[in-house]
Amino acid sequence: GQQLNQSPQSMFIQEGEDVSMNCTSSSIFNTWLWYKQDPGEGPVLLIALYKAGELTSNGRLTAQFGITRKDSFLNISASIPSDVGIYFCAGQKITTSGTYKYIFGTGTRLKVLA
Amino acid sequence: DAGVIQSPRHEVTEMGQEVTLRCKPISGHDYLFWYRQTMMRGLELLIYFNNNVPIDDSGMPEDRFSAKMPNASFSTLKIQPSEPRDSAVYFCASSQNNEQFFGPGTRLTVL
Repeated sequence: GQQLNQSPQSMFIQEGEDVSMNCTSSSIFNTWLWYKQDPGEGPVLLIALYKAGELTSNGRLTAQFGITRKDSFLNISASIPSDVGIYFCAGQKITTSGTYKYIFGTGTRLKVLA
Repeated sequence: DAGVIQSPRHEVTEMGQEVTLRCKPISGHDYLFWYRQTMMRGLELLIYFNNNVPIDDSGMPEDRFSAKMPNASFSTLKIQPSEPRDSAVYFCASSQNNEQFFGPGTRLTVL
């Protein structure tokens, strides 16, 4: 199935560093969502973005909905060991038949070194 | 609320057997989604329901897969007959708007 291009695929960082990851697509989306998945768990919603250009923060997390509606980024400031996990972006769009399409990115695997 | 509840958490079965995965969405949510996650293909939407009605099943891989939602608090995903390539983690999610809440998943292994 179709997936969003998410980068980087994985990253190792030192505790306290800032992290940035992004998602791009050739399609326009109405909504961008960012999730975090811990091992053995389901994805947990971190941030939802509804308007082009929207910049939203949730604690140390900041995400933006790209102006073109084809991309989004997620930043994590001052990373801590519990930030480890897999981060997924997801785009939602409405099809010509009026149904919703949800497409997930390939994931960014984050490891934080204490 | 307890969140989205899925059962079983783990299922090991032999090829050819019928498998039924169950989901209880969050009360009040009118959308329910079934996803499959594998290393190779990532997270894929299989089917979703709105007010218990299947809206888009274009992600269902084959006729061996079927999903039902007989009421607002229960849904099943059935695989009959199962095959080794069906081995994956299957997630159920529910939402009231654009924000989906995922269950813990069912890890299916087909031998």
